[in-house]
Amino acid sequence: DVKVTQSSRYLVKRTGEKVFLECVQDMDHENMFWYRQDPGLGLRLIYFSYDVKMKEKGDIPEGYSVSREKKERFSLILESASTNQTSMYLCASSFYRGWGTDTQYFGPGTRLTVL
Amino acid sequence: AQKITQTQPGMFVQEKEAVTLDCTYDTSDQSYGLFWYKQPSSGEMIFLIYQGSYDEQNATEGRYSLNFQKARKSANLVISASQLGDSAMYFCALETGANNLFFGTGTRLTVIP
Repeated sequence: DVKVTQSSRYLVKRTGEKVFLECVQDMDHENMFWYRQDPGLGLRLIYFSYDVKMKEKGDIPEGYSVSREKKERFSLILESASTNQTSMYLCASSFYRGWGTDTQYFGPGTRLTVL
Repeated sequence: AQKITQTQPGMFVQEKEAVTLDCTYDTSDQSYGLFWYKQPSSGEMIFLIYQGSYDEQNATEGRYSLNFQKARKSANLVISASQLGDSAMYFCALETGANNLFFGTGTRLTVIP
């Protein structure tokens, strides 16, 4: 079974703090993704990566950065957390098949609250 | 631009009945795929079913089937014999050649005993 894990289920941080969200997958997937989920807006892509040290901006990258030093690990970084970054963050991974994306498998999510 | 629309914010269904969740999409790409995911209250997104744009037959996975009408650009999810454990949010998603998914806003399904 595909396993995608995220470092925390719940996280509370203060405005201005630097926040790290970690995601690890054990299926040797090339692609990894970070989404945020807000009520009424569905899931929106923040960043994705199709290889180690590679990253691509998604629809809403402002205020975020990412790091992928190892194939199995993809980190989302909030350089200076703000209250409008309070959200559910979901990590996903998939195989790369040359076109489009194979089925994405998701982690359990991290609910981040910024005070 | 890619777009996914789920017009039903909430749906109710009686246990053991069938239910259809609507999804329409808009893309200018000829090759694309459509996914349905389930998100229970625990938060994890669970993959349910996939339909490729060139697949001639509707996809089925157990109690889930995808009613794909290409000309209408619709990809509705049909859940047969609903169970209490089917109560969850359901998301439709569109993928094109851009290596990512575009999600709809979701439909909350409640199964009534």
